[in-house]
Amino acid sequence: AQSVTQPDIHITVSEGASLELRCNYSYGATPYLFWYVQSPGQGLQLLLKYFSGDTLVQGIKGFEAEFKRSQSSFNLRKPSVHWSDAAEYFCAVGAGSSYKLIFGSGTRLLVRP
Amino acid sequence: NAGVMQNPRHLVRRRGQEARLRCSPMKGHSHVYWYRQLPEEGLKFMVYLQKENIIDESGMPKERFSAEFPKEGPSILRIQQVVRGDSAAYFCASSPYTQGLNAEAFFGQGTRLTVV
Repeated sequence: AQSVTQPDIHITVSEGASLELRCNYSYGATPYLFWYVQSPGQGLQLLLKYFSGDTLVQGIKGFEAEFKRSQSSFNLRKPSVHWSDAAEYFCAVGAGSSYKLIFGSGTRLLVRP
Repeated sequence: NAGVMQNPRHLVRRRGQEARLRCSPMKGHSHVYWYRQLPEEGLKFMVYLQKENIIDESGMPKERFSAEFPKEGPSILRIQQVVRGDSAAYFCASSPYTQGLNAEAFFGQGTRLTVV
């Protein structure tokens, strides 16, 4: 069965430090891949998505993610974190469908001043 | 242009009652998706609707759950005879056409259902 794993439940980084959030998926073919962010009391906002082509994807708010087929991973990165980035981040996979998404359980990012 | 509006934001129901969750898509969007998030878990797809049509309900529990998206008015997710295990956050998303490479689905803030 298709699945998405976000191994880190919480991550704390200092403001200005770099960030990498991990995402691994289980699916036989190349999936559609998404990263969403959810701020407290808000809905999910799409950061970036990968469907095909260049495996390094640029998103909004300075985020990027890299699809690595050999590792079944789609890790999210940001070179310098801002306090406003504190939120919960969800990785999602569209396995066989671009709309029926399978979400990971999320990683909560805390930013130290 | 208002975003996806879900109401109520919080809903408390006693076991056996009915819960009705409403979702008004963004203006111009005719595609609606419902997801459920159980505590400590990721969101799980429930159903995909277009106006007056259910396109994919493969994630809906077979009993007690139903969804509709009428020609006029919001999409409704209805849960009959709620049980404690239905306690969750229910998210709605909408898109102008099928979410994919060229169409992003925008999510609402969710409805937190608590069954007591």
